[in-house]
Amino acid sequence: DQQVKQNSPSLSVQEGRISILNCDYTNSMFDYFLWYKKYPAEGPTFLISISSIKDKNEDGRFTVFLNKSAKHLSLHIVPSQPGDSAVYFCAARRVNYGGSQGNLIFGKGTKLSVKP
Amino acid sequence: DVKVTQSSRYLVKRTGEKVFLECVQDMDHENMFWYRQDPGLGLRLIYFSYDVKMKEKGDIPEGYSVSREKKERFSLILESASTNQTSMYLCASVGTGGLGSGNTIYFGEGSWLTVV
Repeated sequence: DQQVKQNSPSLSVQEGRISILNCDYTNSMFDYFLWYKKYPAEGPTFLISISSIKDKNEDGRFTVFLNKSAKHLSLHIVPSQPGDSAVYFCAARRVNYGGSQGNLIFGKGTKLSVKP
Repeated sequence: DVKVTQSSRYLVKRTGEKVFLECVQDMDHENMFWYRQDPGLGLRLIYFSYDVKMKEKGDIPEGYSVSREKKERFSLILESASTNQTSMYLCASVGTGGLGSGNTIYFGEGSWLTVV
């Protein structure tokens, strides 16, 4: 059963416009959410995160919104740039999963293409 | 800058071979992880470790084992490689306090394993 869902496998956006990537989760025990960006043949790199006690976090062109009642989060990129073209993974922290404090469960990813 | 280094970027192994994937981090992190990434499946947790000589199974541990003899090194072992283990393997680490305290999970660049 998929606990973190990214229902759009791909998204295409024009340069300068807003990119909105969506993520839904089913487990209300998740307490921390992150977005990672991944280029081909490279490891994922951290982009932005949000705690479950907040509903918005902003960092430059990137904003993450969390709607706990809907179990939904989204990543907004404004304005989108061609260099943003990558696969974006949504991840949620599993609380009390073994002895580690960093266990994440990932969505399947959304491939963003920003066209010049 | 945190550095997570995976010693082998590209490997080709035969079915039945024993395979070692090595990962080293230089930030004195307690928590280390092995994920695999497959198209359409996102990142899935194989094993993790929260201390030297400690290990816990992730979501897909079958066919794998791990070793953590030193804090900075976490090895993934395929006892008898099979073709369905052809994948990209990602090592990651995070420090004490886990996520949400200014830390995030840092990934290595990945190891592409092909089993023929």
